[in-house]
Amino acid sequence: TQLLEQSPQFLSIQEGENLTVYCNSSSVFSSLQWYRQEPGEGPVLLVTVVTGGEVKKLKRLTFQFGDARKDSSLHITAAQPGDTGLYLCAGRLVGGTASKLTFGTGTRLQVTL
Amino acid sequence: EPEVTQTPSHQVTQMGQEVILRCVPISNHLYFYWYRQILGQKVEFLVSFYNNEISEKSEIFDDQFSVERPDGSNFTLKIRSTKLEDSAMYFCASSEDGLYRNGYTFGSGTRLTVV
Repeated sequence: TQLLEQSPQFLSIQEGENLTVYCNSSSVFSSLQWYRQEPGEGPVLLVTVVTGGEVKKLKRLTFQFGDARKDSSLHITAAQPGDTGLYLCAGRLVGGTASKLTFGTGTRLQVTL
Repeated sequence: EPEVTQTPSHQVTQMGQEVILRCVPISNHLYFYWYRQILGQKVEFLVSFYNNEISEKSEIFDDQFSVERPDGSNFTLKIRSTKLEDSAMYFCASSEDGLYRNGYTFGSGTRLTVV
């Protein structure tokens, strides 16, 4: 059983389209982060959400933390080829330690011209 | 932008050999971590380290693994006797503090291939 399931696993879209990536769990998280990973590189932090219902924007990226802190979404508006990469959600479980991040299964996004 | 540096970027080793993966965390960070990612699988937690001792480790981090901060800047992961299934990307990460609202800075990883 995966603690953090991401959907879709793969997404191939054209430049200019909008998309949403989902990160779902049956567990409650004290915080949840989104990372982007390029091939052969480490994950790069995009955002941290902490409060249930919180929405954060990073240019064309909008992140939302579910009210119950069990799920999150990442919405990209007008996708560009530079958005191509592996998107990972990762969270710290309530009752778990602050030091351990549980990663999701990942969504591989490809944006073509 | 401060970064976490990992060396080597790629290491090939024979099964049964010892390997040491090296990391230089961001200088003012106090918490250090190792994660690994087997090809095609998700990133998995191995160990966290604070104040010169392990604060948490996963079930993957068995007696074959050890971590050390030998001086003020390096943070190492040693695998004593490598197995084929240890082949993976190993990522070092650091964070300024252990607060749950803060993210990590990851290095670019070391690709370990055990043959």
